[in-house]
Amino acid sequence: DVQMTQSPPSLSASIGDRVSITCRASQSISSWVAWYQQKPGKAPKVLISVATRLESGVPSRFSGRGAGTDFTLTITSLQPEDVATYFCQQGHSFPLTFGGGTRVEIK
Amino acid sequence: EVRLVESGGGLVKPGGSLRISCATSGFVFTDAWLAWVRQAPGKGLQWVGRIKTQAENLTTDYFAPLEARFHISRDDSKNTFYLQMTSLRVEDTGLYFCATYGASRRFDYWGQGTLVTVSS
Repeated sequence: DVQMTQSPPSLSASIGDRVSITCRASQSISSWVAWYQQKPGKAPKVLISVATRLESGVPSRFSGRGAGTDFTLTITSLQPEDVATYFCQQGHSFPLTFGGGTRVEIK
Repeated sequence: EVRLVESGGGLVKPGGSLRISCATSGFVFTDAWLAWVRQAPGKGLQWVGRIKTQAENLTTDYFAPLEARFHISRDDSKNTFYLQMTSLRVEDTGLYFCATYGASRRFDYWGQGTLVTVSS
């Protein structure tokens, strides 16, 4: 199984800050990574697929990069509505697996 | 508009069974791969399993530790799919989400979740 190690588990940043979250896969997964945002009590929402592709309707301050084993989700200018937990997910092979999540808060 | 609506969650005793449903609309159901993802209280996301289309022989894949107890099926005439859970354990407690699994290998659309509580 592919393990997805996500860091940090939580972070606190100021409005307008640049924030980065990383996921490391236990083996090469090409570009088969998606990133999700989950707000309390809600279903996850896909932000990025195939490592770098921004989903329709997602603000351009979100971006993804990486390939192989190392992936990053970046929010270029943190906004109040970005308070949420973010998860990565690998789609390279079954079983599909998620990172442990990163809780993003406003300082 | 794509909609997925779970139902059938509730309280069940350890060792019991439960079937939860996901009613869908707004996309071509017969062409879709369908999945279940669960989330224990305060924890992360765990993929449960996925079912392919009728044309692909309804092939299923499961998270291995669940395969003996969980079963996914679909009814294309009702645009609905199901998760049958047996021999439930306390650790199966959580919010169960249904979702579509798309060609870009991500979960495109999600339901709001249905809560399954396993407790005596």
